[in-house]
Amino acid sequence: GQNIDQPTEMTATEGAIVQINCTYQTSGFNGLFWYQQHAGEAPTFLSYNVLDGLEEKGRFSSFLSRSKGYSYLLLKELQMKDSASYLCASMDSNYQLIWGAGTKLIIKP
Amino acid sequence: IAGITQAPTSQILAAGRRMTLRCTQDMRHNAMYWYRQDLGLGLRLIHYSNTAGTTGKGEVPDGYSVSRANTDDFPLTLASAVPSQTSVYFCASATGTSGTDTQYFGPGTRLTVL
Repeated sequence: GQNIDQPTEMTATEGAIVQINCTYQTSGFNGLFWYQQHAGEAPTFLSYNVLDGLEEKGRFSSFLSRSKGYSYLLLKELQMKDSASYLCASMDSNYQLIWGAGTKLIIKP
Repeated sequence: IAGITQAPTSQILAAGRRMTLRCTQDMRHNAMYWYRQDLGLGLRLIHYSNTAGTTGKGEVPDGYSVSRANTDDFPLTLASAVPSQTSVYFCASATGTSGTDTQYFGPGTRLTVL
């Protein structure tokens, strides 16, 4: 079956660094997406990885290991506005996105 | 308008009633999608359309139908609503030039079926 696992909730302190992990198991693989979703709002695109390694984009970085079926999203210099849910999604062989349930990130001052 | 719009924003519906959720995009994207989002579950694909005139079934299509008469509009119809269809519904679109295109989401419709 197809499955995406990520922690339900994480808490971090403003100014700190947090790593949100995601493991995936899908029928085929065409890349790994991360989206941010603030409460009551639409998901917005953060990153896409299809090759192994780290992709850095400002305060946010995303890592992929295809052999391990593993990805993480790294958020640096946390700000209160980063309080949101972070959704991991793997694209399967049919180019359909399989979504995790999301990780709710709580930032404390 | 710019981007994707959905209507209505929210709706309370009696079970057994018919309901159409509207989705319109002005980005000339070829691909469009309908998802539902339920607490504790990931987004689940209901139906999709790779280009105007074509549609396909996603993971949870039962009880829903779609049409794609033109590039901009992708309505989702619940023929006879049931309480298990209470959810937040998101429409999304992508350019469709590549299967791995980023999907852009509308603001969502919160539907309650009583």
